[in-house]
Amino acid sequence: GAVVSQHPSRVICKSGTSVKIECRSLDFQATTMFWYRQFPKQSLMLMATSNEGSKATYEQGVEKDKFLINHASLTLSTLTVTSAHPEDSSFYICSARTDRGLTVGTEAFFGQGTRLTVV
Amino acid sequence: DAKTTQPTSMDCAEGRAANLPCNHSTISGNEYVYWYRQIHSQGPQYIIHGLKNNETNEMASLIITEDRKSSTLILPHATLRDTAVYYCIVRVDNYGQNFVFGPGTRLSVLP
Repeated sequence: GAVVSQHPSRVICKSGTSVKIECRSLDFQATTMFWYRQFPKQSLMLMATSNEGSKATYEQGVEKDKFLINHASLTLSTLTVTSAHPEDSSFYICSARTDRGLTVGTEAFFGQGTRLTVV
Repeated sequence: DAKTTQPTSMDCAEGRAANLPCNHSTISGNEYVYWYRQIHSQGPQYIIHGLKNNETNEMASLIITEDRKSSTLILPHATLRDTAVYYCIVRVDNYGQNFVFGPGTRLSVLP
């Protein structure tokens, strides 16, 4: 299947600093990328959807100025958590889909996740 | 997207078949059934999906009832590494649409 690589897998940062998480599609062009957040013992919750070259669409309750999403190319999207606080500590997961070519179907492929701890 | 109902948890003996049920009684004609799983502290992994015919791949089989109101994911020979949360998701096959995850079924494969 298609590969989505997320980096870093773990990050610890101080309160008030910013953290950038990268999501790359390694063998296909990701026309749409999704960012999820998962708190302990809970399911994944969608934060935002981004299409290459367009502004991201954020879910209700997600602050767009705090969670900056950039999808500048067909293989890379970034999520920057600005002025992070302890309550932002969570497992962040990206997902990528493509509408190009026949090698990848309509299923979405997920990165391995990034565990963010804000101290 | 139609709502799905899955058991909260299940146990399965190693080497035996694991049958994970999912109810989706409000599924509409253009909605597919997708299955993903999430091993602890990893991103979800795609398993299989189907519309109305049964499907099989190297990981699992998907059995969809004739009325499409329920389905079963079958792992034919479960191993300890199959211990994970399994998510059944019903959705229209649309490239731009996200996947909505419910609580899923926590499958424990026991030695």
